[in-house]
Amino acid sequence: DQQVKQNSPSLSVQEGRISILNCDYTNSMFDYFLWYKKYPAEGPTFLISISSIKDKNEDGRFTVFLNKSAKHLSLHIVPSQPGDSAVYFCAASARFSGGSNYKLTFGKGTLLTVNP
Amino acid sequence: KAGVTQTPRYLIKTRGQQVTLSCSPISGHRSVSWYQQTPGQGLQFLFEYFSETQRNKGNFPGRFSGRQFSNSRSEMNVSTLELGDSALYLCASSLAQPQETQYFGPGTRLLVL
Repeated sequence: DQQVKQNSPSLSVQEGRISILNCDYTNSMFDYFLWYKKYPAEGPTFLISISSIKDKNEDGRFTVFLNKSAKHLSLHIVPSQPGDSAVYFCAASARFSGGSNYKLTFGKGTLLTVNP
Repeated sequence: KAGVTQTPRYLIKTRGQQVTLSCSPISGHRSVSWYQQTPGQGLQFLFEYFSETQRNKGNFPGRFSGRQFSNSRSEMNVSTLELGDSALYLCASSLAQPQETQYFGPGTRLLVL
């Protein structure tokens, strides 16, 4: 049972355009969401996070939007650059709910390719 | 502040052997989580340790085990290796709770022949 789903295995965009990566979740206990970026043969790097009390968080070119009613979040990258080409993982946890689920749950990732 | 380190970076083993991987968390971080990454499967959670205690375990067979030392360093062990164990094994640390932001090491690439 996949609690965090990234339905697009890959996405290709032109340099300078917007990249939108999507993520859906099913567990209503999740209240903290993160995006990680991963290059081949390296560990994932933390990009940006959002708690469920917010619907938007921005950090430079990266913005994460959270729609709790739809159980959906998205990562916007504007403008996209060739160096952004990587696999992006969405992750979720029940950080603030006090649950004993001591882990992050990850999606399977989306490969973003930014073409020059 | 140094990041998460993992040793070795690459490993080649044969079926039936066992392997031990090591992870040193960021200084001050007490929670260590382990993941297996294989193509198309994303990051599969193995287990999480805090204060030398395993707090959570994923759906992996008992051949996969781990431990944590008093200095928060962690090891994972895989016994009786199978071809399907070939993967990138990632370690991540966080301050106290894995539900917080986790910071990953570079991983150990294990190839089982």
